[in-house]
Amino acid sequence: GAVVSQHPSRVICKSGTSVKIECRSLDFQATTMFWYRQFPKQSLMLMATSNEGSKATYEQGVEKDKFLINHASLTLSTLTVTSAHPEDSSFYICSARDSGGGIGITEAFFGQGTRLTVV
Amino acid sequence: QKEVEQNSGPLSVPEGAIASLNCTYSDRVSQSFFWYRQYSGKSPELIMSIYSNGDKEDGRFTAQLNKASQYVSLLIRDSQPSDSATYLCAVNTGRRALTFGSGTRLQVQP
Repeated sequence: GAVVSQHPSRVICKSGTSVKIECRSLDFQATTMFWYRQFPKQSLMLMATSNEGSKATYEQGVEKDKFLINHASLTLSTLTVTSAHPEDSSFYICSARDSGGGIGITEAFFGQGTRLTVV
Repeated sequence: QKEVEQNSGPLSVPEGAIASLNCTYSDRVSQSFFWYRQYSGKSPELIMSIYSNGDKEDGRFTAQLNKASQYVSLLIRDSQPSDSATYLCAVNTGRRALTFGSGTRLQVQP
């Protein structure tokens, strides 16, 4: 299957600092990427849809000024958690779909996830 | 009503048995359906996709789709302890992002 690479896999940061997470599609182009957050023993919650060359679309309740998304190319999207607080500690996962496939049928491939711990 | 519903489990089956995982969805215009497996602390891994009514088999896995009943299931034959994980049902509801169920935790007892 297609490969989506996410980096870093783990990060520990101090409260008040910012953390950037990268998501790359390695063997396909993705005009759209998705960012999810998952708390322990809970399901994936969509945070935002990252659109190449345009603004991201945020889900209700997700602060766009806190979770900055940039999708500057067809293979790279970044999520920056600004002014991180302990309650932002979570597992962040990106996913991407091949732009060459139909939106209705292509599966999503996931990055490895980033475990963020804010101390 | 949640868009995609799954029993949270845990579903416990003995090794070698058939594990049956179920999922219902609310949006009738859903076009495509996926099963992902997620081990603790890891990101989801695609197992099966199904787009039309009926059964689709891949090795020990069989996905079943019934659009009239808005129901999709995953059967795992000859369950192994390594199959113990959380299984996520995902549906394409027309939005570009998949909608996930809350997942069913499967435990295969040796």
